[in-house]
Amino acid sequence: KNEVEQSPQNLTAQEGEFITINCSYSVGISALHWLQQHPGGGIVSLFMLSSGKKKHGRLIATINIQEKHSSLHITASHPRDSAVYICAVKPGAQKLVFGQGTRLTINP
Amino acid sequence: ETGVTQTPRHLVMGMTNKKSLKCEQHLGHNAMYWYKQSAKKPLELMFVYNFKEQTENNSVPSRFSPECPNSSHLFLHLHTLQPEDSALYLCASSQGREETQYFGPGTRLLVL
Repeated sequence: KNEVEQSPQNLTAQEGEFITINCSYSVGISALHWLQQHPGGGIVSLFMLSSGKKKHGRLIATINIQEKHSSLHITASHPRDSAVYICAVKPGAQKLVFGQGTRLTINP
Repeated sequence: ETGVTQTPRHLVMGMTNKKSLKCEQHLGHNAMYWYKQSAKKPLELMFVYNFKEQTENNSVPSRFSPECPNSSHLFLHLHTLQPEDSALYLCASSQGREETQYFGPGTRLLVL
């Protein structure tokens, strides 16, 4: 079993829909990251969380430390949001551990 | 643009070739990383450099040889690779080991 599990693995939605991507982890962590990887490979860091909630534009990330769970929400989704979204956790001082990613496709 | 550039963006090489991947960051960061991303697998950390010193080598085969001449440049020298080494190789940098990492666009490598 992976230390970081994401769901769903693939998600297709229509433009404008509210999107939720989930990340569960099994170890104690000092921080959790959400990353976005576009076709072609480039990765962009979206959020780094250690508690609570962060918002940036149409993106919202939440984390529940007790339940070892984080969600990434996208409001008013757009085709340009189509990408792979990756959750990564940092168990203390150890290296980042990455989830498999969620492939999101937003159709016009 | 994240401030981290990688060259080449694509590379095809034979198993007997020697090639090098280059990463450069223009962010004034002190830590640099090499990651490997194979199809259908999570990102794997390969090497970490902090202030030009290698601090992590995650059981990477010796056919991959990193070099960090200064805090802005990171190389990955490739020699006698195998077809299973075909993957996307990503470079990242961060201000410190605990800070947000900024990724380059990656080099897509195909070993024939």
